Amino acid sequence: AQSVTQLDSQVPVFEEAPVELRCNYSSSVSVYLFWYVQYPNQGLQLLLKYLSGSTLVESINGFEAEFNKSQTSFHLRKPSVHISDTAEYFCAVYTGFQKLVFGTGTRLLVSP
Amino acid sequence: EAQVTQNPRYLITVTGKKLTVTCSQNMNHEYMSWYRQDPGLGLRQIYYSMNVEVTDKGDVPEGYKVSRKEKRNFPLILESPSPNQTSLYFCASSLTSAGEQYFGPGTRLTVT
Repeated sequence: AQSVTQLDSQVPVFEEAPVELRCNYSSSVSVYLFWYVQYPNQGLQLLLKYLSGSTLVESINGFEAEFNKSQTSFHLRKPSVHISDTAEYFCAVYTGFQKLVFGTGTRLLVSP
Repeated sequence: EAQVTQNPRYLITVTGKKLTVTCSQNMNHEYMSWYRQDPGLGLRQIYYSMNVEVTDKGDVPEGYKVSRKEKRNFPLILESPSPNQTSLYFCASSLTSAGEQYFGPGTRLTVT
C-alpha cells in the first residue's frame, strides 16, 4: 500500500528565513503528488501538485517542491517565509480511484 | 462562487443518537469524498463516490454510511455514534479522480 511520511510534526522558523518541509512516499507505481495547506480553522487548499513533466513545481505564493523519483521525495521549500505562512501543510499521494493518501501533517510556525 | 458546503459546522451529541452531516458542491464534480482529521494521524478517507449511486469504502469506513442520490450532495450518516468518532470531518470534491480536491470548511463533531 502506498504511504506518505512527513517526519517533522512541527517546524518553527523566523520570518524571512528559508524553510523545507520534508515528504517521502512509498509507491511501486507512478504517482501524482500534492501539497495542501490548512490555515487555522479552515479546510484544506491545494498549494501545488506534480502530475508529470518538470520535476520542479511552483505555487503562486513562492513555495516550490521538487519530485525526486530516486529518493521518493517531494519536499516543499520556500526561500523566505512570512508570518502569514503559518499553517499546517499536508503532503499527499494519489493512489487511484480518487484515493488520496495524506501524510500526518507538518505545522509551520513563523515568528517575528 | 465555487464551493463545498458542510452543515453543521459544529455538533455535540450523545452516544447512539443518529446524525447526518450534509455536504454539497456547486461545481458539477463527479468525485466526492469524506475524510476525518485526527491529531497526529492526518486525514483519513472514510468513503468516496465516483458518481451518482456509486460509492465505496475508504480506509476507515466502520460506523459510517453515505449516499449519493444526487450529483451535488454526499451526506455522511452516523447511525449510532460513539466517542471514538469524535473528530473533525471534511467533505471534498474533484472534477477528475486525480484532480485537485476542493474541501469544505469542516464539521467538528463531539460524541459524549
